Amino acid sequence: SQQGEEDPQALSIQEGENATMNCSYKTSINNLQWYRQNSGRGLVHLILIRSNEREKHSGRLRVTLDTSKKSSSLLITASRAADTASYFCATAANAGGTSYGKLTFGQGTILTVHP
Amino acid sequence: ETGVTQTPRHLVMGMTNKKSLKCEQHLGHNAMYWYKQSAKKPLELMFVYNFKEQTENNSVPSRFSPECPNSSHLFLHLHTLQPEDSALYLCASSQDSAGSPNEQFFGPGTRLTVL
Repeated sequence: SQQGEEDPQALSIQEGENATMNCSYKTSINNLQWYRQNSGRGLVHLILIRSNEREKHSGRLRVTLDTSKKSSSLLITASRAADTASYFCATAANAGGTSYGKLTFGQGTILTVHP
Repeated sequence: ETGVTQTPRHLVMGMTNKKSLKCEQHLGHNAMYWYKQSAKKPLELMFVYNFKEQTENNSVPSRFSPECPNSSHLFLHLHTLQPEDSALYLCASSQDSAGSPNEQFFGPGTRLTVL
């Protein structure tokens, strides 16, 4: 299976509720990043968490990283209809390997926030 | 806007046509990438250029030919494509492909349809 698998594949919530998306990966990483993609558009970088960090905040976003479980979660608080998009995690490999610097993306979670 | 532009935004071509996709970044970055995004598949890295040198060709068929004349411009030349090549082609840039954290900035994509 893929490095960086998101769960759930799709999430439907009401405006004001919190949305939690999870990402699992297989190999050791240098950092993990979350991106957002509106339908048919390019990806937008949301937040980056390094392998030595456990939690990071940016506005309504909260990201956690558990390297022992090789997993990360993205929490969007007080969701809005405008948050409707696909969310992807991407892992960056450690130095020393052929994958250093490259990002490996998961399949994404489709989030729908109903007004 | 992310500082990465792509043209055209939509392209329909026959299997015998030759066309080119263009990407330009205004961020002063040194690395540029081509990704392919097909329905229900993770984002697939195709090519990486770092300081105008190709550093990654992810087993991409020769009917896709990249060109990077300078650090700001990236092209993807297309010829004798197949219908299964229909997808969203995304260009991205980052400060340096070999470094970290390697946050990537994406263009809006070219929606390619091969008839």
